[in-house]
Amino acid sequence: DAGVIQSPRHEVTEMGQEVTLRCKPISGHNSLFWYRQTMMRGLELLIYFNNNVPIDDSGMPEDRFSAKMPNASFSTLKIQPSEPRDSAVYFCASRVAGKSYEQYFGPGTRLTVT
Amino acid sequence: KNEVEQSPQNLTAQEGEFITINCSYSVGISALHWLQQHPGGGIVSLFMLSSGKKKHGRLIATINIQEKHSSLHITASHPRDSAVYICAVNPSGGSNYKLTFGKGTLLTVNP
Repeated sequence: DAGVIQSPRHEVTEMGQEVTLRCKPISGHNSLFWYRQTMMRGLELLIYFNNNVPIDDSGMPEDRFSAKMPNASFSTLKIQPSEPRDSAVYFCASRVAGKSYEQYFGPGTRLTVT
Repeated sequence: KNEVEQSPQNLTAQEGEFITINCSYSVGISALHWLQQHPGGGIVSLFMLSSGKKKHGRLIATINIQEKHSSLHITASHPRDSAVYICAVNPSGGSNYKLTFGKGTLLTVNP
């Protein structure tokens, strides 16, 4: 079975540009998480969806960040406009809520904003 | 103070050595996870524990709920075990979907 799929794997963009990160969770998983990882702050939860509905977006840094999950097999994380401090690795993870706490992580997207 | 503390932060070992990484947490939990991340790589779940002990190959994870402490052991370490090992917990209660992460332990195993 395919794991969590993220694209792109690497993104380099200039400050002010819009960036869209994509995630396809494991089929049958009903919960999806977006995380950001930096050297300074480690792994941080940005947003949590359950059954495609955003449940907790308290970790979204500011209005420049937005996330959507239009259906059970696709989610996006958008940054507009991007800033150099957004440079990080962004991970998507999914799980089956109500059945297990185990999360399955995607390979991550390494974002560099110059 | 972080809710999840790991020690040591960095660990260097020679191939074949027995390795222990420790994790202490300060909240009630529903589950504890050990994750592995190779340099520049993705995150892999090694273990999920809520009690007792689990073993997978050369890796063993234990948890003591009363003491709020978990250990990850690697027997007969190998250079391919070099990675960052991250402890994370699901707190008990309404936010149990969240993972609270430790800062990780960077393990280097030299041949």
